[in-house]
Amino acid sequence: AQTVTQSQPEMSVQEAETVTLSCTYDTSESDYYLFWYKQPPSRQMILVIRQEAYKQQNATENRFSVNFQKAAKSFSLKISDSQLGDAAMYFCAYRKEGATNKLIFGTGTLLAVQP
Amino acid sequence: DVKVTQSSRYLVKRTGEKVFLECVQDMDHENMFWYRQDPGLGLRLIYFSYDVKMKEKGDIPEGYSVSREKKERFSLILESASTNQTSMYLCASSIAGVSDQPQHFGDGTRLSIL
Repeated sequence: AQTVTQSQPEMSVQEAETVTLSCTYDTSESDYYLFWYKQPPSRQMILVIRQEAYKQQNATENRFSVNFQKAAKSFSLKISDSQLGDAAMYFCAYRKEGATNKLIFGTGTLLAVQP
Repeated sequence: DVKVTQSSRYLVKRTGEKVFLECVQDMDHENMFWYRQDPGLGLRLIYFSYDVKMKEKGDIPEGYSVSREKKERFSLILESASTNQTSMYLCASSIAGVSDQPQHFGDGTRLSIL
């Protein structure tokens, strides 16, 4: 069975600095998708960034980028120029290629941004 | 934008009550999901549905049932609520058959069972 591990329950970063959140996963599949979701306090969970396993190029969305290491089964999220609004719970998620679109989530990393 | 609406943000019920959590999406998505979110455990899938009247158990279905009579609505039912079902419940929806498309989430229902 696939599993997703986020080993950092909490992280803290100074405003304008860069922070990296870790995620590792276990799968025997070759085709799959990885996602980072953000859940601000008392607000809706939203997608931050996604990565297709067959793409070697790391995904980037503005200040958010990933370091995808397929052989190591690692999928870390880098947030550059951190802003107060980046404070949230971040979840890493895995989805196997297929029709049901079921996600397997990690346990989350709570990111605090210090002014 | 996709809108996933959960009927209540906060809900307090008594042990033994039958509890209904409602979720409606407005994007004609085939897939709908119910998750439970607990500190240190992340999100765990309770049930999902891939079409009207079709459902599959997730990882933690015990004590729960679901109903999907219309495509846009997916209900989670706690048959006889217990204190260990106190949690945050999240509903999500997604397009079927397109694996890179994300799930879209509702705001969540924080349920307390007394």
